[in-house]
Amino acid sequence: SYGLTQPPSVSVSPGQTAIITCSGAKLGEKYVCWYQQKPGQSPVLIIYQDSKRPSGIPERFSGSNFGNTATLTISGTQAMDEADYYCQAWDNSTVIFGGGTKLTVL
Amino acid sequence: EVQLVQSGAEVKKPGESLKISCKGFGYNFISYWIGWVRQMPGKGLEWMGIMYPGDSISRYSPSFQGQVTISADKSINTGYLQWRSLKASDTAMYYCVRYDSSGPDAFDLWGPGTMVTVSS
Repeated sequence: SYGLTQPPSVSVSPGQTAIITCSGAKLGEKYVCWYQQKPGQSPVLIIYQDSKRPSGIPERFSGSNFGNTATLTISGTQAMDEADYYCQAWDNSTVIFGGGTKLTVL
Repeated sequence: EVQLVQSGAEVKKPGESLKISCKGFGYNFISYWIGWVRQMPGKGLEWMGIMYPGDSISRYSPSFQGQVTISADKSINTGYLQWRSLKASDTAMYYCVRYDSSGPDAFDLWGPGTMVTVSS
């Protein structure tokens, strides 16, 4: 079955750029979404169709998707960005979530 | 306000049945898919399935097919997730989600979650 692989954890200093990857076979041929989940809260959509931001999502969040890897980039990371991040794609009418990446802002 | 409102936390015993609900407010309920996502304690997100209230077409994750039933009552803008016989391993937070297939092609609206605890 299709799988999406994310690093379990990423650390970044405040103001620096955080990069979170999501890998899957021919992932670049699918649309990828990204969700942010803070402790005790529901997930929030932050990127859809690889690189688009919903209304209200800060510009420091951006996405790309080429080949086998989708990337979520957070520029000028802030303390409030500390959260779990999940990628998601469709495969054969089935939704697949990545395992999630815990972003720590040190 | 556009939102999904879910039913409250449940504590059940193994073998019991359960139906939890999710009511949509502020949007045309029958025009969007409604689905469910499981999150076990300390774990990641797992997609369970989805239904289009307009025509009741549903799709299930292979992992949950036959284990749960997803339904909807479009007359009251409400979706449901149902178990016939709960197991301790069903203990989790269950999120109701709206899927917009015509726009962002993503789960653009999430409910607050319903915590289900199954324990003898």
